[in-house]
Amino acid sequence: DAGVTQSPTHLIKTRGQHVTLRCSPISGHKSVSWYQQVLGQGPQFIFQYYEKEERGRGNFPDRFSARQFPNYSSELNVNALLLGDSALYLCASSFWVDNGYTFGSGTRLTVV
Amino acid sequence: GNSVTQMEGPVTLSEEAFLTINCTYTATGYPSLFWYVQYPGEGLQLLLKATKADDKGSNKGFEATYRKETTSFHLEKGSVQVSDSAVYFCALSVKIIQGAQKLVFGQGTRLTINP
Repeated sequence: DAGVTQSPTHLIKTRGQHVTLRCSPISGHKSVSWYQQVLGQGPQFIFQYYEKEERGRGNFPDRFSARQFPNYSSELNVNALLLGDSALYLCASSFWVDNGYTFGSGTRLTVV
Repeated sequence: GNSVTQMEGPVTLSEEAFLTINCTYTATGYPSLFWYVQYPGEGLQLLLKATKADDKGSNKGFEATYRKETTSFHLEKGSVQVSDSAVYFCALSVKIIQGAQKLVFGQGTRLTINP
């Protein structure tokens, strides 16, 4: 079975632009979470979605938004990009909201 | 609040040496505890977990025991290999609201094993 897939793998954007990152969970997993990992640090929680509803949000500005589709895939959107948004964005899926997270390989976003 | 503090790296060992990476946590309630590993250019892989006090998680020769009295979850391996070189993250699960949970990670410990 395919694991958690994220696209694109790498991305370079200019300050002020908008970006959309995509995540396909493991088949049968209904929950998707997003994390931001700045170089040299541990991942920070951004969002959790379950059954297309937002179930949790981390301490990130409103420039960050996400959604989950009927097939349980998810998008993370970031508006008005700042240099500080440069990071590895990780998607994790699980069957339920509280167990067995499986992470994707991430999307590395560079803002210049 | 909820937080995880890990032993600062980088840690460099010779092959077949004994490994300990310290992890202590602060949390309300009784969270589940995890160790994740990140190889260069990759995402996170779950290495092991423990869900209650005195539980021992183990996988691929790595072990960690959930110690409530010392709020610790130290990672150990008896004989490391070059292939164990990676960044290791200790994490705990936090209930956000009913039906939602997040992971809180430590800052990571970079491990390098020399042949």
